[in-house]
Amino acid sequence: EAGVVQSPRYKIIEKKQPVAFWCNPISGHNTLYWYRQNLGQGPELLIRYENEEAVDDSQLPKDRFSAERLKGVDSTLKIQPAELGDSAVYLCASSRDRKGEDVKNIQYFGAGTRLSVL
Amino acid sequence: RKEVEQDPGPFNVPEGATVAFNCTYSNSASQSFFWYRQDCRKEPKLLMSVYSSGNEDGRFTAQLNRASQYISLLIRDSKLSDSATYLCVVYRYSSASKIIFGSGTRLSIRP
Repeated sequence: EAGVVQSPRYKIIEKKQPVAFWCNPISGHNTLYWYRQNLGQGPELLIRYENEEAVDDSQLPKDRFSAERLKGVDSTLKIQPAELGDSAVYLCASSRDRKGEDVKNIQYFGAGTRLSVL
Repeated sequence: RKEVEQDPGPFNVPEGATVAFNCTYSNSASQSFFWYRQDCRKEPKLLMSVYSSGNEDGRFTAQLNRASQYISLLIRDSKLSDSATYLCVVYRYSSASKIIFGSGTRLSIRP
């Protein structure tokens, strides 16, 4: 079974430029998460989708960040314009959550996109 | 104060030793708990879920103490390959559901 696929793996941009990250979750996983991880910190949830619906975007800086998950499968996360403080690793994860199942929210992570803003 | 806190370490222990670390959470409505392992410059991977009655997986034992609001991870007979950062994760499933990762505890096993 293929894992969560993210691209690109690395991105270097200048501040004020736009940038986009792409995520393909594990087949059959209905929940998709975007996280940001700074050095020495744990992942911070930016947005969580259940199918096409964003059910938690409370931590997404909406002035410059946007995300979409069309058709409830792939997702893109965009930053426009990027700032120096956006340098981090952006992780995508997915999980299979079905009502009535005991084990929920076991998340599988992609390798991440390492963003450097100069 | 952070909602989920971990001792950042590093814990530096010899091979074969037993090591334990805790993760405290401040919101009593927290409902599900997990330990993830993250190797340097890699993605987090699930180590184990934490059940109310405690659970064991080989050399790893996880415990939940709801009264004192912490979870623990015990590693017995530690191996060099256990060197990693261990992240605890806390979930709340209320109307404003939350998923919160701790900052991680760094473990280094020496020969």
